[in-house]
Amino acid sequence: NAGVTQTPKFQVLKTGQSMTLQCAQDMNHEYMSWYRQDPGMGLRLIHYSVGAGITDQGEVPNGYNVSRSTTEDFPLRLLSAAPSQTSVYFCASSYSRGSHEQYFGPGTRLTVT
Amino acid sequence: AQSVTQPDIHITVSEGASLELRCNYSYGATPYLFWYVQSPGQGLQLLLKYFSGDTLVQGIKGFEAEFKRSQSSFNLRKPSVHWSDAAEYFCAVGQGGKLIFGQGTELSVKP
Repeated sequence: NAGVTQTPKFQVLKTGQSMTLQCAQDMNHEYMSWYRQDPGMGLRLIHYSVGAGITDQGEVPNGYNVSRSTTEDFPLRLLSAAPSQTSVYFCASSYSRGSHEQYFGPGTRLTVT
Repeated sequence: AQSVTQPDIHITVSEGASLELRCNYSYGATPYLFWYVQSPGQGLQLLLKYFSGDTLVQGIKGFEAEFKRSQSSFNLRKPSVHWSDAAEYFCAVGQGGKLIFGQGTELSVKP
């Protein structure tokens, strides 16, 4: 099993550009989530999904969109990038909402200039 | 609101010395508690978890943690630190499937 994979590893965007961060898992996990990591703030939840077709907002959802058309994939879209979105983004998955034990991808480092 | 506090932003210990990283949480019910480790440039790896039962839990790499309900704490310990333990450590509480993370503690190990 590859576990949780994320692409790209690094990305530089200009303000106003759009892009999609990809996340995939091959563990047949129901629950998937996106976090951003900023210095001194730990990880904060952006969006999550409890299954295909179901998504919900986390703590810091503004500026981000998600969809979940398959169990395996959970892309994160930035519609109009802003410098405040410069961060490291982590995707995670767990067997179910109730299991809580989450497996993390390697992260995507995004810089918005 | 639920929260997790790691009071120490940065800790330096000598190789071979013991280690304790502090974690306090605010949560009404019995929490699901986790410790993750992040090496530089890497993702997060689960060290150990507490769901219920024995309040002293063992994890990977020789780490252990003790859940103390009366103190709302879940401190991480290791009896003898190795240079490879230098990393950032995150405590987290599980709530409704989500993880709420502390701010992290960066551990440096000196020879």
